[in-house]
Amino acid sequence: NAGVTQTPKFQVLKTGQSMTLQCAQDMNHNSMYWYRQDPGMGLRLIYYSASEGTTDKGEVPNGYNVSRLNKREFSLRLESAAPSQTSVYFCASSFLAGDDTGELFFGEGSRLTVL
Amino acid sequence: QKEVEQNSGPLSVPEGAIASLNCTYSDRGSQSFFWYRQYSGKSPELIMFIYSNGDKEDGRFTAQLNKASQYVSLLIRDSQPSDSATYLCAVNGRGSGGGADGLTFGKGTHLIIQP
Repeated sequence: NAGVTQTPKFQVLKTGQSMTLQCAQDMNHNSMYWYRQDPGMGLRLIYYSASEGTTDKGEVPNGYNVSRLNKREFSLRLESAAPSQTSVYFCASSFLAGDDTGELFFGEGSRLTVL
Repeated sequence: QKEVEQNSGPLSVPEGAIASLNCTYSDRGSQSFFWYRQYSGKSPELIMFIYSNGDKEDGRFTAQLNKASQYVSLLIRDSQPSDSATYLCAVNGRGSGGGADGLTFGKGTHLIIQP
């Protein structure tokens, strides 16, 4: 079972470059999330998609866009990368229906450095 | 805005002793509470979740919830060096079906188990 798969695992960008982080889950989950994790700041929600066809802003959405391509895939795009976006990015998913616990299942993370 | 507070540590505990990790939350409407463990360079993994006031035990781990005091704790009995990690407290706002806007995380407590 792959679970939640993120690509790429590592990326170095120059300021102003764009890139897309890809995420796919094979657990038939309804909801998907993008978090960023910075030292001393914990995990902060960037965007989420409660179900296929919907997306909403989280706590720190500025500088990012997302696409829920289908039920399995949720991508995060940086249109013009800035050094402040240097971080570790985690994609997560949740079933979020019925008696589901609300547990989030995380991908392995994508470490992004913006120079 | 929901807030989840944890002492960042490090919390140093001798091997074999009980480690006690604490968390407070601001949103009285929070219904579900989670403890994740995160090893350095890895993604968070769920240890336990709890919905009801009182204690919930799973092996060496016990989660405790006091909604009146807005307080959640995690006890680790017979601590092992492999328990050394960062422990993240997380909450969501809806009932057992989970919150569409994901989980709000504390910044984590760094636990060190001394052999």
